[in-house]
Amino acid sequence: EAGVTQFPSHSVIEKGQTVTLRCDPISGHDNLYWYRRVMGKEIKFLLHFVKESKQDESGMPNNRFLAERTGGTYSTLKVQPAELEDSGVYFCASSSFSGGAADTQYFGPGTRLTVL
Amino acid sequence: AQSVTQLDSQVPVFEEAPVELRCNYSSSVSVYLFWYVQYPNQGLQLLLKYLSGSTLVESINGFEAEFNKSQTSFHLRKPSVHISDTAEYFCAVNSGTYKYIFGTGTRLKVLA
Repeated sequence: EAGVTQFPSHSVIEKGQTVTLRCDPISGHDNLYWYRRVMGKEIKFLLHFVKESKQDESGMPNNRFLAERTGGTYSTLKVQPAELEDSGVYFCASSSFSGGAADTQYFGPGTRLTVL
Repeated sequence: AQSVTQLDSQVPVFEEAPVELRCNYSSSVSVYLFWYVQYPNQGLQLLLKYLSGSTLVESINGFEAEFNKSQTSFHLRKPSVHISDTAEYFCAVNSGTYKYIFGTGTRLKVLA
């Protein structure tokens, strides 16, 4: 069974540009999560999808970030326009059951975003 | 609000020596506790978790962690480490929702 995949693995862009990150969850997983790790700090929750619906986007930093999950399969996270403080590693995770605390979340390898 | 503290950002240890990675949390409600590991160029993998029951939980590769409610700790231990244990380890909690609260991570470097 394929794990969670993320594309690209690295992205270097200039301030003001747009970047789109993609996450493919494990097949059949209804729950999809985005997290972000700013260098040296903790991994922070961004948002949670159940199928194609956003259940919780309380962790999204601001309205420059837009996440979608059309058709309830893969998800994209767009940053437009990117700022220097958006640099970090963006992780995607998925889980299969109720999306509750006891579910194991399976993480992808992350996308390292560098904004110059 | 919940928080997780991993005081040690880096822990160097010689191969076959024991190691302890410390994790303390703060929460006003009951929590579930997790340790995740990230090997180089890979995603985070669940190492072990405490949901309820026995306070000592073990992983398949020899790590164990003990939930200590009075000290609000969930330290990770291994009696004898291998080179292959070199990775970054993250402690996380949640209080019954899907939203993990992570610590800042501890880089374990096993030296030959």
